[in-house]
Amino acid sequence: GAVVSQHPSWVICKSGTSVKIECRSLDFQATTMFWYRQFPKQSLMLMATSNEGSKATYEQGVEKDKFLINHASLTLSTLTVTSAHPEDSSFYICSARSGLATETQYFGPGTRLLVL
Amino acid sequence: DAKTTQPPSMDCAEGRAANLPCNHSTISGNEYVYWYRQIHSQGPQYIIHGLKNNETNEMASLIITEDRKSSTLILPHATLRDTAVYYCIVRVYNNDMRFGAGTRLTVKP
Repeated sequence: GAVVSQHPSWVICKSGTSVKIECRSLDFQATTMFWYRQFPKQSLMLMATSNEGSKATYEQGVEKDKFLINHASLTLSTLTVTSAHPEDSSFYICSARSGLATETQYFGPGTRLLVL
Repeated sequence: DAKTTQPPSMDCAEGRAANLPCNHSTISGNEYVYWYRQIHSQGPQYIIHGLKNNETNEMASLIITEDRKSSTLILPHATLRDTAVYYCIVRVYNNDMRFGAGTRLTVKP
């Protein structure tokens, strides 16, 4: 299957700082990328969807000014958590989908964020 | 997208087949059935998907009933590394993936 990478795999930051997470599709061009969040013992929750070159579409309840998403190229999307607080501590997972007929979503390994 | 129902947990003996059921009684004609799994602290891994025919790949088989209201994911020879949460997702082609609670499969030696 297609490969999606994320960087960093884990990050610890102080409250009030901003954190950027990168998501890359390594062997295909991702016309659409997705960002999910997963709290302990819970399922994945979709945060936002972005198409290359367009503004992201956020799910209800997700603050677009706090979670900045940039999908500047067909292989890279970034999620910036601005002014992070302890309640933002979570497992963030990106996903990518090509524009090909199969349209299967492939997921990255996830980034664990801990805000102190 | 149609809602799915999966048992919260299942056990399976190592080396035996693991059969994971999924109910999607409100599925519509243009909705696909997808299966992913998530091993602890990792991102979901794509397993298989299908529309109405049974499908098989190197990881698993997907059996979809004729009325498409339910399906079964079969791992033919489960190993300890197959212990994970398995998600059955039904979605219209080109929509995003929405995850339910899934089934926690524990493969026991």
